[in-house]
Amino acid sequence: DADVTQTPRNRITKTGKRIMLECSQTKGHDRMYWYRQDPGLGLQLIYYSFDVKDINKGEISDGYSVSRQAQAKFSLSLESAIPNQTALYFCATSGGGSNQPQHFGDGTRLSIL
Amino acid sequence: GDSVTQMEGPVTLSEEAFLTINCTYTATGYPSLFWYVQYPGEGLQLLLKATKADDKGSNKGFEATYRKETTSFHLEKGSVQVSDSAVYFCALAPGGGSNYKLTFGKGTLLTVNP
Repeated sequence: DADVTQTPRNRITKTGKRIMLECSQTKGHDRMYWYRQDPGLGLQLIYYSFDVKDINKGEISDGYSVSRQAQAKFSLSLESAIPNQTALYFCATSGGGSNQPQHFGDGTRLSIL
Repeated sequence: GDSVTQMEGPVTLSEEAFLTINCTYTATGYPSLFWYVQYPGEGLQLLLKATKADDKGSNKGFEATYRKETTSFHLEKGSVQVSDSAVYFCALAPGGGSNYKLTFGKGTLLTVNP
């Protein structure tokens, strides 16, 4: 079983709809992250959370919100989806020690028409 | 702010060829450096890392040396295989344990032909 699980893997929806992407992990990590990947642009950080009560904006948080329901669960919401939010979204986790690598889920491919 | 610049792809090689993917960075202090690999349809996986100057990270035949004097962390492999076809990302994390903010390069697509 995957250590970092994202659902759904694929989603097609319409402009203006509310979308929620979910992430759960079995690694026991405190830190969780949401990234967006666009072709040729690498990954951009949307939000990150150091624990259930600590949530922070990343580089591109406008138009997104998050909820850390438990240590193992971190969801990303698009309140009113727009076409330029079409992208590949990744959740990641890491331990709290210095220089710990991040562990990624397999991604959610989101298309907004 | 911090930044990572890696060579643009795509890179196409024949099996058993030598691979170099260049990566340079701009950062204050003493960042940690990473190479991640993304196989088709999958998330990113850590390939190797180095946390201080002159450290050499290695894994699965890949190597990269943290060169502070040239602010570089080039990825090399002596003999690539078809199974190495993937997108490779160079990344850095600020020093001081604040690894929350990984800064990624734009990725380099590698295709290895039999």
